[in-house]
Amino acid sequence: NAGVTQTPKFQVLKTGQSMTLQCAQDMNHEYMSWYRQDPGMGLRLIHYSVGAGITDQGEVPNGYNVSRSTTEDFPLRLLSAAPSQTSVYFCASSYRPGEVSYNEQFFGPGTRLTVL
Amino acid sequence: AQSVTQPDIHITVSEGASLELRCNYSYGATPYLFWYVQSPGQGLQLLLKYFSGDTLVQGIKGFEAEFKRSQSSFNLRKPSVHWSDAAEYFCAVGAVNPSGGSYIPTFGRGTSLIVHP
Repeated sequence: NAGVTQTPKFQVLKTGQSMTLQCAQDMNHEYMSWYRQDPGMGLRLIHYSVGAGITDQGEVPNGYNVSRSTTEDFPLRLLSAAPSQTSVYFCASSYRPGEVSYNEQFFGPGTRLTVL
Repeated sequence: AQSVTQPDIHITVSEGASLELRCNYSYGATPYLFWYVQSPGQGLQLLLKYFSGDTLVQGIKGFEAEFKRSQSSFNLRKPSVHWSDAAEYFCAVGAVNPSGGSYIPTFGRGTSLIVHP
């Protein structure tokens, strides 16, 4: 299994540009989520999904869109990039509680995004 | 809603010394509790987890953590730190949203471990 994969690893955008961060998992996990990591702020949840076709907002959703058309993929779209979105973005997946007691998160390697 | 507090932003220890990283949580029921480690430039890796049973759990890399319900704590310990343990450590609580069954994990802000030779 490849686990959780993210592309690209690095990206530089200009203010106002849009782009999509890709995330895929091959573990048949129902839950997927996106976090951003900023110095001193830890991990903050942007959006999450409990299954294909179902998404919901996390703590910091503004400026980001997600969709979940398949179990495997959970792309994160930046609609109009802003310097405040400069961050490291992590995608994670997990089993649904009740199917596996220990619903640990499996993380991708991250995407480092800089918005100029 | 659940919350997690890691009161120490930075911890500095000498190689070979013992380590304890603090984590306090807030949640109405028994939570799932986790410790993750993030090496520089890497994603997060699970160190250990607690759901039920023995309150002292063993993890990878020689780490252990103890769940104390009375103190709402889940502190991470290691008897002898190695230079390779220098990393960012995150405590997390996972819980099921009772109103909708959704799973919403919450992470602490992290503790940066610095190891002196």
